[in-house]
Amino acid sequence: KQEVTQIPAALSVPEGENLVLNCSFTDSAIYNLQWFRQDPGKGLTSLLLIQSSQREQTSGRLNASLDKSSGRSTLYIAASQPGDSATYLCAVSSYTDKLIFGTGTRLQVFP
Amino acid sequence: NAGVTQTPKFRVLKTGQSMTLLCAQDMNHEYMYWYRQDPGMGLRLIHYSVGEGTTAKGEVPDGYNVSRLKKQNFLLGLESAAPSQTSVYFCASGPVLNGRKNQPQHFGDGTRLSIL
Repeated sequence: KQEVTQIPAALSVPEGENLVLNCSFTDSAIYNLQWFRQDPGKGLTSLLLIQSSQREQTSGRLNASLDKSSGRSTLYIAASQPGDSATYLCAVSSYTDKLIFGTGTRLQVFP
Repeated sequence: NAGVTQTPKFRVLKTGQSMTLLCAQDMNHEYMYWYRQDPGMGLRLIHYSVGEGTTAKGEVPDGYNVSRLKKQNFLLGLESAAPSQTSVYFCASGPVLNGRKNQPQHFGDGTRLSIL
């Protein structure tokens, strides 16, 4: 059974820092991996989607990498801002077409 | 651009009561999903639909029923609510099945349901 783990569960950093969020999964037979952002009281917004054949995807200050063989993905946020404060979730899509979510990393960026 | 709309946003029920959560999407998506989000457990798939008139079970379907009579609407029903169903419920829609063809799902803002 696929399990997705995110470390750390919470992170607090000063504005301007570069930071890395981690996601690990137990079954490497995935179709893709997605990173989502969730603001308090809101739904999920897709940030980046990495296909299983890709190594990384970039969008603005965000860069997500995927190492399928080791079951790991990282989300790199450059020059963090208070507006980046949110919960970040990763999810893997298996060949059974189900999205399996991690429990998230709650990020706080303070001025 | 409404996207995915969930109603109601909040609800408090007593044990044994029934209710229906409504999800509506205006993006002409074929696929729709219901998830529940609980502290420390992430989002878990309850039921999903691959098109009008179809439904299928997800990871945690017990105690819930769904219907997809119209393409744009996906209803989640609780026939006899239990305290264990206290959660935040999210609806999502997508043009393909769970990211295949690399199209992410679009989520609503959630329904916060408390069962006393």
